[in-house]
Amino acid sequence: DTGVSQNPRHKITKRGQNVTFRCDPISEHNRLYWYRQTLGQGPEFLTYFQNEAQLEKSRLLSDRFSAERPKGSFSTLEIQRTEQGDSAMYLCASATPRRGEDTQYFGPGTRLTVL
Amino acid sequence: SQQGEEDPQALSIQEGENATMNCSYKTSINNLQWYRQNSGRGLVHLILIRSNEREKHSGRLRVTLDTSKKSSSLLITASRAADTASYFCATDADYGQNFVFGPGTRLSVLP
Repeated sequence: DTGVSQNPRHKITKRGQNVTFRCDPISEHNRLYWYRQTLGQGPEFLTYFQNEAQLEKSRLLSDRFSAERPKGSFSTLEIQRTEQGDSAMYLCASATPRRGEDTQYFGPGTRLTVL
Repeated sequence: SQQGEEDPQALSIQEGENATMNCSYKTSINNLQWYRQNSGRGLVHLILIRSNEREKHSGRLRVTLDTSKKSSSLLITASRAADTASYFCATDADYGQNFVFGPGTRLSVLP
C-alpha cells in the first residue's frame, strides 16, 4: 500500500454513460498524475496537477475527458459518453513537492469496462 | 509514442537464477526509474537512478545507466517466485514532468 487510494476499484458501464473516478493522494504531495493503461502496455500519461492547477494534458485526453483537483487534495477524472475504447486501467500517482525526490507513488487503479 | 522500450518483452527463468531486463530511451533524461506491477495491480517503485549516476543497488536489485547509449538495465539476483511481475522503466526529462513508460518486460519465475 503506497498511501494513494483510488475509488472505485472496478467500474462496469454501458457505452454512452458518464463515469467519474476519484484519487486521494498522499497528503503532503502536491503533484498528482493520471495515467491510462491498456492490457499488455505500460501506463500512458493523461494529465498532471501541481496543487489545484492542471499544468499538462496529453493529446490522449479528448474533449470527453476532464480532470479536476479543486482544493489541491483529491482529484477526479470524468469520462463523458464512454466508448468501448475507453476500457482500461486508470492509474493515479502522486509525488512530493521536494525537488530532487522524483518518485511517483501509484494507487491501485480503477479498472473500467465499457460494454 | 512511448519513449522507453524494455527488452525482452517476456522472460521466463527458474527460481534462483538471475534476471536481466533492458530499457532504451530516446531523449535526454533527468532520471530513470524502474517499477514493478503485479497482475491487475498498481505500480510499485523499485529504484531511481539519476542521469549523473552509472550504477545503483537496492537489495537484490542492481540498475545501471548508460546515458551515451540511452539505455539502462535492471538485474534481479537470486530470483524468487514472488518476483513474477511486469517490470517497467520510466523516464522524465524535467522535474515534475510526467513519466514516459515503456511496454514492460513480463517476468515469470518458475519454482
